[in-house]
Amino acid sequence: RKEVEQDPGPFNVPEGATVAFNCTYSNSASQSFFWYRQDCRKEPKLLMSVYSSGNEDGRFTAQLNRASQYISLLIRDSKLSDSATYLCVFGSGNTGKLIFGQGTTLQVKP
Amino acid sequence: DGGITQSPKYLFRKEGQNVTLSCEQNLNHDAMYWYRQDPGQGLRLIYYSQIVNDFQKGDIAEGYSVSREKKESFPLTVTSAQKNPTAFYLCASSIAPGRGQGAVTGELFFGEGSRLTVL
Repeated sequence: RKEVEQDPGPFNVPEGATVAFNCTYSNSASQSFFWYRQDCRKEPKLLMSVYSSGNEDGRFTAQLNRASQYISLLIRDSKLSDSATYLCVFGSGNTGKLIFGQGTTLQVKP
Repeated sequence: DGGITQSPKYLFRKEGQNVTLSCEQNLNHDAMYWYRQDPGQGLRLIYYSQIVNDFQKGDIAEGYSVSREKKESFPLTVTSAQKNPTAFYLCASSIAPGRGQGAVTGELFFGEGSRLTVL
């Protein structure tokens, strides 16, 4: 089983739509979880951390399901500027390593 | 402004040549990382360093070498032994987790990347 599995998409949605991505991980020892955003030909940037209780930042909601070993990202009221690739990232304890998913591409259309 | 700087942004190399990619950070971060990204793929870890004068191999270290002589600097050398070096290389830094404390790995701050093309 892959360490991280993420649907590459692309997800094509109209402006204003709600879209959700999931990402599963295989290492039950994972302790830190993040969503990064990467624009075309640019470096990834942290979008939000994912906390056990779930967390929200404006139109973005992140959730963690430890039992099923996945994290999710929900984007409400999609904007054209949300078009990007969203990478899920997992960290495991003291190894100092973060594992990246391949990314899910979102295209928001007018 | 604090940040992480990679150079060069674009680099062309002939087969059989070694090249060194520079990565400098002034964030006072202990940990630094090198990742490689190929089209349509996630980032793959080449090497990482949690402290000066110490570094560990990542998942795809073959054909690469690094050094960590200063906290601020973590250069990556792509050697002629790397079979398929054309890729987008990303350097990152983070506050290192506390050892033996079960601390989580923190946010990564990335440089703008270096695109290497082998001709």
